[in-house]
Amino acid sequence: DTEVTQTPKHLVMGMTNKKSLKCEQHMGHRAMYWYKQKAKKPPELMFVYSYEKLSINESVPSRFSPECPNSSLLNLHLHALQPEDSALYLCASSQGPTGGWETQYFGPGTRLLVL
Amino acid sequence: ELKVEQNPLFLSMQEGKNYTIYCNYSTTSDRLYWYRQDPGKSLESLFVLLSNGAVKQEGRLMASLDTKARLSTLHITAAVHDLSATYFCAVVETSGSRLTFGEGTQLTVNP
Repeated sequence: DTEVTQTPKHLVMGMTNKKSLKCEQHMGHRAMYWYKQKAKKPPELMFVYSYEKLSINESVPSRFSPECPNSSLLNLHLHALQPEDSALYLCASSQGPTGGWETQYFGPGTRLLVL
Repeated sequence: ELKVEQNPLFLSMQEGKNYTIYCNYSTTSDRLYWYRQDPGKSLESLFVLLSNGAVKQEGRLMASLDTKARLSTLHITAAVHDLSATYFCAVVETSGSRLTFGEGTQLTVNP
């Protein structure tokens, strides 16, 4: 089973709202990732968790707040977003401790629209 | 900083034809990935190439890696409409842990 699940599939929020994206995997992977993808562009890395600890933050604005409650779950808390934050948010997981050397498996994504 | 360049960025081809997508990268790496993305969908892992000279094939797609030239190719044989998608190569540099993506090649296969 190489499935990564993400909820919700679609999200519309205002600039004053607080919402959360959720990602789950049951493959025993120890590295989990958040990516942001704009239309017709490659995914851009936002955060990496390794063994439930934040190991990489790609200078992401603080209005994005990641959380890894356990080895299977990854959340992305959103607050006071801007319209330019509208994008497809992809979660991925991989087996290795740093994750960079193993194939990353991507979830279906959450399509976010900020009004 | 690792740079990954794909070409072409857009490819329109007829069914039954062959073509190659190229992926060049700027620093040493011995691990390269190819992903496929359908419109509005997530990324699907196609191939991971682990060493110089590695070649992998799945159906009408064949990927190869030349680490000395820092080049990977994705060859499409006798294209069919179902192959229409965006194809990304992605590289991890030898000393790093981040996956760096190319810009993607948007492939359209016409009847």
